[in-house]
Amino acid sequence: ETGVTQSPTHLIKTRGQQVTLRCSSQSGHNTVSWYQQALGQGPQFIFQYYREEENGRGNFPPRFSGLQFPNYSSELNVNALELDDSALYLCASSLGSGEQFFGPGTRLTVL
Amino acid sequence: KQEVTQIPAALSVPEGENLVLNCSFTDSAIYNLQWFRQDPGKGLTSLLLIQSSQREQTSGRLNASLDKSSGRSTLYIAASQPGDSATYLCAVGNTGGFKTIFGAGTRLFVKA
Repeated sequence: ETGVTQSPTHLIKTRGQQVTLRCSSQSGHNTVSWYQQALGQGPQFIFQYYREEENGRGNFPPRFSGLQFPNYSSELNVNALELDDSALYLCASSLGSGEQFFGPGTRLTVL
Repeated sequence: KQEVTQIPAALSVPEGENLVLNCSFTDSAIYNLQWFRQDPGKGLTSLLLIQSSQREQTSGRLNASLDKSSGRSTLYIAASQPGDSATYLCAVGNTGGFKTIFGAGTRLFVKA
């Protein structure tokens, strides 16, 4: 059984650029949730995708958007990057609202 | 609005000690509560999941309890080891499981 994977591991961008982060869910899971974790803080919920539809959203602006594909993998897109977007981005997969399993994260640095 | 608080923020104990980490939440209408472990710069490892209808879950040296009426959960770690050193996070799933709220975590250091 393959666990949750994320790519890339690290990424450096400059202000105003756009970035796409990718997540492959665990086999058998149909739900992906994305989180932003700033240094020293708990993860903040960005949004959740269930069967290719956005199923819930946290307090993040519209420049944070996502997609889920038929194989349940997912992308997180962030437009017009700001310095405060520098963080560890985590995705988690689950079967519906069940136990969440996390990937290793993508460390994004915005200069 | 659901808020999740974890106390203490940091804890240092000698090896072998039993310890309790606390998590409190403001809205008792939760779907589930999950405890995670996070090593520095890494992703989260699931430790225990408690459904809203359950009172506790156990796995090895770990035991998590849930009291929805008082808005509290505890994670009990028995016979702590240096390898238990990490940040422990609790996460509350709201009704329907559409949004998960995390606490800021408790950073644990177990001294050999």
